[in-house]
Formats: sequence, structure tokens, C-alpha cells
Amino acid sequence: GAVVSQHPSWVICKSGTSVKIECRSLDFQATTMFWYRQFPKQSLMLMATSNEGSKATYEQGVEKDKFLINHASLTLSTLTVTSAHPEDSSFYICSATGQGMMNTEAFFGQGTRLTVV
Amino acid sequence: DQQVKQNSPSLSVQEGRISILNCDYTNSMFDYFLWYKKYPAEGPTFLISISSIKDKNEDGRFTVFLNKSAKHLSLHIVPSQPGDSAVYFCAAVTNFGNEKLTFGTGTRLTIIP
Repeated sequence: GAVVSQHPSWVICKSGTSVKIECRSLDFQATTMFWYRQFPKQSLMLMATSNEGSKATYEQGVEKDKFLINHASLTLSTLTVTSAHPEDSSFYICSATGQGMMNTEAFFGQGTRLTVV
Repeated sequence: DQQVKQNSPSLSVQEGRISILNCDYTNSMFDYFLWYKKYPAEGPTFLISISSIKDKNEDGRFTVFLNKSAKHLSLHIVPSQPGDSAVYFCAAVTNFGNEKLTFGTGTRLTIIP
């Protein structure tokens, strides 16, 4: 199957700093990328959907100014957590689909565990 | 509001026996359901799916059953193998995949050799 790679796999940062997470599609053109987060003992929750070259669409309750998403190319999307706080500590995961693919056919990255201290 | 629920956080099954993972949902608009498998430090990978027009879908050792009236689906793995030890997520979607995925909380399956 297609490969979606996330970097870094884990990151620890100080409160108030910003952290960037990258999501790359290695062998297909990702026209749409999805960003999820998972708090302990909770489900994967969709944060936002981004289409290449367009502004991301955020889910209700997700602060777009705090979670900056850039999808400037067909192989890379980035999620920047700005002014991170301990409550932002979570598991962030991306998935991607190519042209003509259904959302159910998305390939997932391995996720990034963010710890804000 | 948790629309997709996996009430068992963990399950242990003897190797060779049947593993049954359960999932309940509340949104009657869901019309397509998926199971994903996730190993540590890896992303979820698609395992098997079922459309609401069916009540059973089988793929090798994996079978998914859907009971629409009960809003319940289950994943059967038989025979269970050590490599099946992973976290299993069920997910549901409306409009046959054109809308966002709604995930359950996951069940950690451990196969005991």
C-alpha cells in the first residue's frame, strides 16, 4: 500500500513554544490530508481537512489560529501547534488520499506524540 | 458525544481461538463501517469494511458482522494468531465514504501463545 510518513514520531517541547509536525506522502500525490488527534482513552478525532493549495477546513471546536495547517504541495502537509500548552499534549496523526480516492481509502501516518512540559 | 463506541478497552484471547471485537454506534446515518489495526509506533492500517446494505463481510480469517437494528458491529478473527496482537479501531462514515470518518476508542487485543 501507499506510504504516509510523519515526522517527528515524538517531541517534547516547553510550554509557550511552537511545534511543527510534518506529514508526507511518499509514493502518491496527496490531494487531501486529514489531521487527527487522540487523547488518552479517547478516539481519534478529526481536527481539520486540507486540500492542496487551499485553506484547511477545521472541525468545530478546533482553533485555527492555534493549529496552523499548511498543504502547499501534493506530498507535504504541516501542522504547527502554536504557543503549545500542556493540555495540547496528545497523539497527532495524519492521513492522506489521492485524486479520486474516498475518505475511507486514506492512508495513515505513524503519528506524533507531543508532550508539552 | 461519542457516536462510535468500543466498550472493551482490552481483550486477551488464546492463540488459535476466536477473537471477537465489538463496536456500537448511535448515528443511524452511518452507512459504511471499517475496522483498522494499529501496531505501536505505526499508523492505523485498513483491515476490513462493510456497507450497510450487507450484514456480513469475510476476508480470510477476518469477518465483520453488522446488525443495523441493534446499531452494532463486530469483528471476528479466527483462528487468532500472535501477530494479531494490536489495537483495533472501528470507524463509521456517512454517505458511503464521502464524509469524515468517526472512530471508536479502540480495543487492545492480546493473543496469548
